[in-house]
Amino acid sequence: EDQVTQSPEALRLQEGESSSLNCSYTVSGLRGLFWYRQDPGKGPEFLFTLYSAGEEKEKERLKATLTKKESFLHITAPKPEDSATYLCAVQRYSSASKIIFGSGTRLSIRP
Amino acid sequence: EAGVTQFPSHSVIEKGQTVTLRCDPISGHDNLYWYRRVMGKEIKFLLHFVKESKQDESGMPNNRFLAERTGGTYSTLKVQPAELEDSGVYFCASSPNGGGTQYFGPGTRLTVL
Repeated sequence: EDQVTQSPEALRLQEGESSSLNCSYTVSGLRGLFWYRQDPGKGPEFLFTLYSAGEEKEKERLKATLTKKESFLHITAPKPEDSATYLCAVQRYSSASKIIFGSGTRLSIRP
Repeated sequence: EAGVTQFPSHSVIEKGQTVTLRCDPISGHDNLYWYRRVMGKEIKFLLHFVKESKQDESGMPNNRFLAERTGGTYSTLKVQPAELEDSGVYFCASSPNGGGTQYFGPGTRLTVL
């Protein structure tokens, strides 16, 4: 059965303190892995798509990497506005309609 | 470019009533998806339209849920009759091509009393 597990559930950092969020996945025939950001009361906002092991994508202070079993979202020198829930999701080739989400990591950055 | 919009943003109804949620995808996106998050759990897939055809409705919980996309533009999701366990946030997403990145709307929070 497809599974997406994110850790930690919650993470509190000081402004400027770099860290990483983990997403472990079990899926047959990975088509793509996605990272989304979700603010309270809003829908998920697309950040990155990764398609193959070894691939990396960057956007401002965020960098996403992918291996055959997990993905990391690295946050460098975060700012308070980076506080949000970060969602990892996967998509299979055989069921390309749907995205399977993890439960998310709630990130809080203290000034 | 306008994003995915959903209406209403909140809906509070009593058990047994009917509610219809609406989603307007990004213009030009043939693919439209419905998801929901209940009781603080993960966001779960409900169904996928390509234009006005249902491509995958494997996530629809039961026959109290009816989704339509007449004309291949906006979509509606009707719950009839609503039950307590239907409470949650219903998200709509769209994409220009099936299997690619999906762009989400702000969601409709449904509360069934």
